[in-house]
Amino acid sequence: DQQVKQNSPSLSVQEGRISILNCDYTNSMFDYFLWYKKYPAEGPTFLISISSIKDKNEDGRFTVFLNKSAKHLSLHIVPSQPGDSAVYFCAASSGTSYGKLTFGQGTILTVHP
Amino acid sequence: KAGVTQTPRYLIKTRGQQVTLSCSPISGHRSVSWYQQTPGQGLQFLFEYFSETQRNKGNFPGRFSGRQFSNSRSEMNVSTLELGDSALYLCASSPPISGANVLTFGAGSRLTVL
Repeated sequence: DQQVKQNSPSLSVQEGRISILNCDYTNSMFDYFLWYKKYPAEGPTFLISISSIKDKNEDGRFTVFLNKSAKHLSLHIVPSQPGDSAVYFCAASSGTSYGKLTFGQGTILTVHP
Repeated sequence: KAGVTQTPRYLIKTRGQQVTLSCSPISGHRSVSWYQQTPGQGLQFLFEYFSETQRNKGNFPGRFSGRQFSNSRSEMNVSTLELGDSALYLCASSPPISGANVLTFGAGSRLTVL
């Protein structure tokens, strides 16, 4: 039972353009959502998060949108840079889950110069 | 500020053996979580320890166990290794703040079971 799904295994974009990574979830108890980026041979690094009381959160080039009714969130990267090429994971948690995050399968983003 | 440190980074074992992995969290962080990453299953939650007590547990067999020491350092153990246990094992720590679940991950321990 996959509660968090990233349906696109990979995404390829041109440098300078927008990258949009999508994530769907099924568990209505999730109230906090995060995006992590992972390079090979490194652990995931936190990128941006959003609480369920918001529908948008921005941090520099990164914006996360949350549509609670559709149980869908997306990460927008504008403009995309070659250094953004990595695996992106969305993750979700509920109020009492503390260190337990439920991750999606990941999307490999490739930004071409 | 030192990050999350995991040792060893790489190890090779054979089926039936056991393995112990170590994790030192960021100073001041009292919660340590463990995750297994495999190509087919993504990142899956194993368990979480807080103040030396297991606070959360994922859906893994009893062969997977862990513990946390008084200095917040944690170890996980896998007994009777199977080929399917080959994976990247990630440890993450988080500060003692309720609510936000922002975890800081270590680089992982890559286990290969032959």
